[in-house]
Amino acid sequence: AQKVTQAQTEISVVEKEDVTLDCVYETRDTTYYLFWYKQPPSGELVFLIRRNSFDEQNEISGRYSWNFQKSTSSFNFTITASQVVDSAVYFCALRTEETSGSRLTFGEGTQLTVNP
Amino acid sequence: GAGVSQTPSNKVTEKGKYVELRCDPISGHTALYWYRQSLGQGPEFLIYFQGTGAADDSGLPNDRFFAVRPEGSVSTLKIQRTERGDSAVYLCASSPRPDNTDTQYFGPGTRLTVL
Repeated sequence: AQKVTQAQTEISVVEKEDVTLDCVYETRDTTYYLFWYKQPPSGELVFLIRRNSFDEQNEISGRYSWNFQKSTSSFNFTITASQVVDSAVYFCALRTEETSGSRLTFGEGTQLTVNP
Repeated sequence: GAGVSQTPSNKVTEKGKYVELRCDPISGHTALYWYRQSLGQGPEFLIYFQGTGAADDSGLPNDRFFAVRPEGSVSTLKIQRTERGDSAVYLCASSPRPDNTDTQYFGPGTRLTVL
């Protein structure tokens, strides 16, 4: 079975602070894919990143960076110099080879509020 | 190009009624997915189409839920004898190919409220 845990239900920061959103996953599969999505108040899930299980290189995209560590089954997401527009719910998701139909298994989400 | 679109954006119905929710995937995407998101939760998988056929419907909660994709493009999620517990946001996603390397792109969702 697959499971994604986002232990932080809500995070509140002040603009320009750095913030890290945690994601821990469980799977017995050796090949899997991890995703982060952003859900702003409008409700639409916006794709941010996909990472394959065989590629542990960390990735940086502007103010966003992702730290993938297979040893701890974690795929954490850091926003540097946060902005008010970053306020949203962020979801981590898992997809595995063994899972039929290519479904995504989502975590419960972390509500990030960036205050001015 | 245009993203995934869903209609209606909001649907209010009474308990026991029948509802249909529509999804227009991104043009050319062969895979289509339906998820349900309850308040404060992450999306949960319902059903997945590869072309016209349902490749995996194991997420449908019971036989009141049904989905079709007759021409391999637009899909309709149908809910019979709606219950208050069906209230949620129903999300549709599509991807170019139905394999694990693909990214799913989501629509804005339909918020269903059953009174």
